[in-house]
Amino acid sequence: AQTVTQSQPEMSVQEAETVTLSCTYDTSESDYYLFWYKQPPSRQMILVIRQEAYKQQNATENRFSVNFQKAAKSFSLKISDSQLGDAAMYFCAYWRDNYGQNFVFGPGTRLSVLP
Amino acid sequence: GAVVSQHPSRVICKSGTSVKIECRSLDFQATTMFWYRQFPKKSLMLMATSNEGSKATYEQGVEKDKFLINHASLTLSTLTVTSAHPEDSSFYICSARGRQGRNYGYTFGSGTRLTVV
Repeated sequence: AQTVTQSQPEMSVQEAETVTLSCTYDTSESDYYLFWYKQPPSRQMILVIRQEAYKQQNATENRFSVNFQKAAKSFSLKISDSQLGDAAMYFCAYWRDNYGQNFVFGPGTRLSVLP
Repeated sequence: GAVVSQHPSRVICKSGTSVKIECRSLDFQATTMFWYRQFPKKSLMLMATSNEGSKATYEQGVEKDKFLINHASLTLSTLTVTSAHPEDSSFYICSARGRQGRNYGYTFGSGTRLTVV
């Protein structure tokens, strides 16, 4: 079974600085997807960024980028120019494209942004 | 983009009563819906997977008689917590996968906070 690990329960970053959240996963599959979801105090799950395993190029979405190391099964999220609105729980998730396949979520990292 | 509406957002009920939570896909057909439970400061735990027109598949340890799931149409799935007890108090989130294309982002509802008193 697939597992997702986030070794940092809590992180903090100064506003405008850069922070990196770690994620590792375990799978025997070669074709899958990885995601970072943000859950602010409203509890709404918001997609931050996604990465297809077959793509070597790291995904980027504005201030958010990932460092995807497939052989190491590592998928870290870098947030640049951190903003107060980035404060939230961040969940790393694994998903494989099978009909009905669900997400496997990591335990989450709580990010605080200090003014 | 794909939108999933979850209702109610908050509900308080008395112990022993039943509560129904609805999850609707507003602009796409959801062939599969998932129900998660989230404890405070914890990750999402999958409770069950429901496919339109068939019985839900429950994860190990989830009581199917307590958490009734119905997915009667391509746009609606419901979770009914029967004979609720205080230990059922939690945050429940649904997500939906569409029939068309690779909606591999999945779409989450906004969640329901259930408090049983």
